[in-house]
Amino acid sequence: ETGVTQSPTHLIKTRGQQVTLRCSSQSGHNTVSWYQQALGQGPQFIFQYYREEENGRGNFPPRFSGLQFPNYSSELNVNALELDDSALYLCASSLQGVGEQYFGPGTRLTVT
Amino acid sequence: GENVEQHPSTLSVQEGDSAVIKCTYSDSASNYFPWYKQELGKRPQLIIDIRSNVGEKKDQRIAVTLNKTAKHFSLHITETQPEDSAVYFCAAVEEGKSWGKFQFGAGTQVVVTP
Repeated sequence: ETGVTQSPTHLIKTRGQQVTLRCSSQSGHNTVSWYQQALGQGPQFIFQYYREEENGRGNFPPRFSGLQFPNYSSELNVNALELDDSALYLCASSLQGVGEQYFGPGTRLTVT
Repeated sequence: GENVEQHPSTLSVQEGDSAVIKCTYSDSASNYFPWYKQELGKRPQLIIDIRSNVGEKKDQRIAVTLNKTAKHFSLHITETQPEDSAVYFCAAVEEGKSWGKFQFGAGTQVVVTP
């Protein structure tokens, strides 16, 4: 198992609400990437954080935002939740510029 | 745009047979190609990867081949065992760039029957 942890494990929210998901990166890693994985699909890149700044973004609207802290942990915030936001949210940590990244266990978000 | 296509979407094999999964990518700048295995309800786990400066890499029963000219790479699993049953994802990324936007394939459900 990797040293990447995520919380919470599961979450149920109502449409229109806001949610914050958390990720602690593996020791020695300085980069965190966030992915959305819908059922039966591959992970979709949301964005990446390095040195506490967003460092690349996929095709997700601005209501998906994030933070990275000095200890390299990270948060994913989603505002104005929609039913289609229901998915497994994965974070992955890595070293900047190096390909190997390791995933956390994910947070299962259900929007009703 | 950038995308990775993965085939087949499902693969059933008898225990002991070989399994092959193929991926094609469109971004010619991609130079790092990992493969992940995801068991039901678990996180994707990196099982093997290859960089563009080599054409093949092997680790026990798994191997990956890369054809940069044709922009495709493949995962080969030999002597399959029931514990190989999982969803396998390929990905492509430009390593060394200021940020790495991984493009994942849609996944292959591998079922190994005893």
